[in-house]
Amino acid sequence: QVQLVEPGGGVVQPGRSLRLSCAVSEFTFSTYGMHWVRQAPGKGLEWVASIWYDGSKKYYADSVKGRFTISRDNSKNTLYLQMNSLRAEDTAAYYCARDRGVVRGMGYFDYWGQETLVTVSS
Amino acid sequence: EIVMTQSPATLSVSPGERATLSCRASQSVSDNLAWYQQKPGQAPRLLIYEASTRATGIPARFSGSGSGAEFTLTISSLQSEDFAVYYCQQYNNWPPWTFGQGTKVEIK
Repeated sequence: QVQLVEPGGGVVQPGRSLRLSCAVSEFTFSTYGMHWVRQAPGKGLEWVASIWYDGSKKYYADSVKGRFTISRDNSKNTLYLQMNSLRAEDTAAYYCARDRGVVRGMGYFDYWGQETLVTVSS
Repeated sequence: EIVMTQSPATLSVSPGERATLSCRASQSVSDNLAWYQQKPGQAPRLLIYEASTRATGIPARFSGSGSGAEFTLTISSLQSEDFAVYYCQQYNNWPPWTFGQGTKVEIK
């Protein structure tokens, strides 16, 4: 059974930093691209960032570019999202998701972790 | 960026009835379209990919159709566990991966 577990999250002041992690099991992590997706309270899904299976390529939504960094440690089967210069509008539930690469190496999201809540507030 | 538009925003349906949800892309996405179901407090779950292929374990009452820029998700006979929010997503032109705003299927 594929598992994606996201500990962490929490309340952080505007301008501060937070790192999310997503520990995976029951699949060969090093062969899959991965994503972060977020959902503001009462809103829809917003793609945040993506990383290739080997970490060689990374992509970011304009809303987080320059502030967030996606990374992975294939030896630890773990995905990360380093969030700097946090803003109130970053308040959301964050999900990690596994990619099924079908279009130029990436595609839809077939497994999702449970939410980790991030609240940015003073 | 491809904009995905879903309609209606809310669909009121009685159990056992058929539900039809629409998703339109601002330009062609071929058949690179997925549908997800999300229940309150839960992560989204993949239902359909490649516009019409059911994901593993998804009941046959869920079906997807369409290609290009117009897509439909049909739930043939709504069960109590199907009342949820449904999102479409294109993965043809990325980044960014873009989602529709969602359709909430509620009990009539």
